[in-house]
Amino acid sequence: DAMVIQNPRYQVTQFGKPVTLSCSQTLNHNVMYWYQQKSSQAPKLLFHYYDKDFNNEADTPDNFQSRRPNTSFCFLDIRSPGLGDAAMYLCATSRVRFDRDSQQYFGPGTRLTVT
Amino acid sequence: AQSVTQPDIHITVSEGASLELRCNYSYGATPYLFWYVQSPGQGLQLLLKYFSGDTLVQGIKGFEAEFKRSQSSFNLRKPSVHWSDAAEYFCAVGVYYGGATNKLIFGTGTLLAVQP
Repeated sequence: DAMVIQNPRYQVTQFGKPVTLSCSQTLNHNVMYWYQQKSSQAPKLLFHYYDKDFNNEADTPDNFQSRRPNTSFCFLDIRSPGLGDAAMYLCATSRVRFDRDSQQYFGPGTRLTVT
Repeated sequence: AQSVTQPDIHITVSEGASLELRCNYSYGATPYLFWYVQSPGQGLQLLLKYFSGDTLVQGIKGFEAEFKRSQSSFNLRKPSVHWSDAAEYFCAVGVYYGGATNKLIFGTGTLLAVQP
């Protein structure tokens, strides 16, 4: 089945130690998104790619970076994780913009713990 | 600014009872509206979506939602709740980003508990 895959599902890192989260998709969608979801909060968009065009949200900290080497893969890099970065990180994809036949498909998420 | 409000943080219903989860949005243009469900430790699954046309939208798992433009609402309903419906429910509005992309703005979610 076509899907959005996130690895690892659980990641523990140390304060200040760089960490990379991975997302892959078999949907061949143009757009890939990264959301941060803290406990009991709504998912918050960090950035997205439309093909290779990177779009950062205005309030996304510089500590968060992303790479999209090809259509299928997208990475979230946290350069110096702080305790406040502990969260669920959700990857999503969409074909293009919203229409009746399009939607965002979410992966299962990566739970990041910072010690 | 675009926003979504879910007034109920936590709701408990008995199994077999009816359910209504409230959602209000603020968006200047024609809204694209969504309901997602999230089980513990899982990603989000789309229940239903509204783009235009019929204001009563049917979704998966027996859920439906009604768009009311005059009230800026998109409430989710289910006539008879099952224990497996216990989860967190998020309402979202789709915002046209420009170009060919879009983004979702989520409400803060409603946590549903189901009593036997």
